[in-house]
Amino acid sequence: EDQVTQSPEALRLQEGESSSLNCSYTVSGLRGLFWYRQDPGKGPEFLFTLYSAGEEKEKERLKATLTKKESFLHITAPKPEDSATYLCAVLGTDSWGKLQFGAGTQVVVTP
Amino acid sequence: DAGVTQSPTHLIKTRGQHVTLRCSPISGHKSVSWYQQVLGQGPQFIFQYYEKEERGRGNFPDRFSARQFPNYSSELNVNALLLGDSALYLCASSSLLAGANYEQYFGPGTRLTVT
Repeated sequence: EDQVTQSPEALRLQEGESSSLNCSYTVSGLRGLFWYRQDPGKGPEFLFTLYSAGEEKEKERLKATLTKKESFLHITAPKPEDSATYLCAVLGTDSWGKLQFGAGTQVVVTP
Repeated sequence: DAGVTQSPTHLIKTRGQHVTLRCSPISGHKSVSWYQQVLGQGPQFIFQYYEKEERGRGNFPDRFSARQFPNYSSELNVNALLLGDSALYLCASSSLLAGANYEQYFGPGTRLTVT
């Protein structure tokens, strides 16, 4: 069974203090690894898809990377508006639609 | 462009009752997936429908059922509600056309409270 573990569970950053979130996964075959941002009480907002080891994607202050066993979401010089829960999910080759999510990392950025 | 829409936004039900949640996918998307998210956890997969057929089912009891209509909108039905069914129910749509990516785009969710 596909499994996703995210660490840390929570992260408190000062504005401008860069950090990284980890997503470790086990899957028999990987169709894709997805990062989402979720604000309290809202639906997840799509950020990135990574398909193969070595791939990297960037969007503003966020950069996602992928290896064969884990993915990192790097937050560079974060701002308070980057405060959210960041979710990682994998889609295995045995499924077209079942995303297996981790529990998320709650990020709080203080001014 | 309109994103995924869900209704209602919030719902309060009593144990034993039945509930129907609705979802309209992004225009042009033919696949809808349903997820349950309990506070503090990641979303858990319930169902996937593509071209009006069930293509995947998660580890949920038979009290949970769903269907997809010819216009690709979808309903999630839950019978005999339990307190543990209280959660945020999320709908996600994706294209799944040949050569397309597998990205799923989520709606705002329906917050179900069972008392």
